[in-house]
Amino acid sequence: GQNIDQPTEMTATEGAIVQINCTYQTSGFNGLFWYQQHAGEAPTFLSYNVLDGLEEKGRFSSFLSRSKGYSYLLLKELQMKDSASYLCAVLSGAGSYQLTFGKGTKLSVIP
Amino acid sequence: DAMVIQNPRYQVTQFGKPVTLSCSQTLNHNVMYWYQQKSSQAPKLLFHYYDKDFNNEADTPDNFQSRRPNTSFCFLDIRSPGLGDAAMYLCATSRRTGGEQYFGPGTRLTVT
Repeated sequence: GQNIDQPTEMTATEGAIVQINCTYQTSGFNGLFWYQQHAGEAPTFLSYNVLDGLEEKGRFSSFLSRSKGYSYLLLKELQMKDSASYLCAVLSGAGSYQLTFGKGTKLSVIP
Repeated sequence: DAMVIQNPRYQVTQFGKPVTLSCSQTLNHNVMYWYQQKSSQAPKLLFHYYDKDFNNEADTPDNFQSRRPNTSFCFLDIRSPGLGDAAMYLCATSRRTGGEQYFGPGTRLTVT
């Protein structure tokens, strides 16, 4: 089966750096996505990792270690608008290329 | 702008009364997905189409059906909505299976 774990909630201060962790156990692996979802809105794509290492995109970076089944999303220079849920999703490759989402980490940015 | 459009954004239906949610895309993507997301939970894949090839998830209830009459449109039919079907329904597309998925704004379904 598929299992994706991430913290339920986190709080961080405006201007700071926050790291959101995700661990996974899946049958097959074809990549890991991070999505941002504001309350009542659709998820929007942030990053995609399929090889080990760090992918940087502006204030957001994502890291993957396939051997450890681990990823993190790093948000720098936090802004109030970054308050949202962050969903880790793993693309498994058991013939169906299913994208399985974690429950999301609700990040609250405080002044 | 190219995008994924869902109508309506909010839908209210009565218990047991069939309802159809619609999704259209201008991205010309091959794959379209329907997800169900309940409050504070992860989106759950119901089914997806690769072109006209329909793929149903094993645990998707029979109460949920889908149609994709052409590349641009995909519909979610709920034949007899129950109170437990109240949720946000998200449509997404991707150029290829396993590619980055682009989500529509979602339809929030309320069952009374």
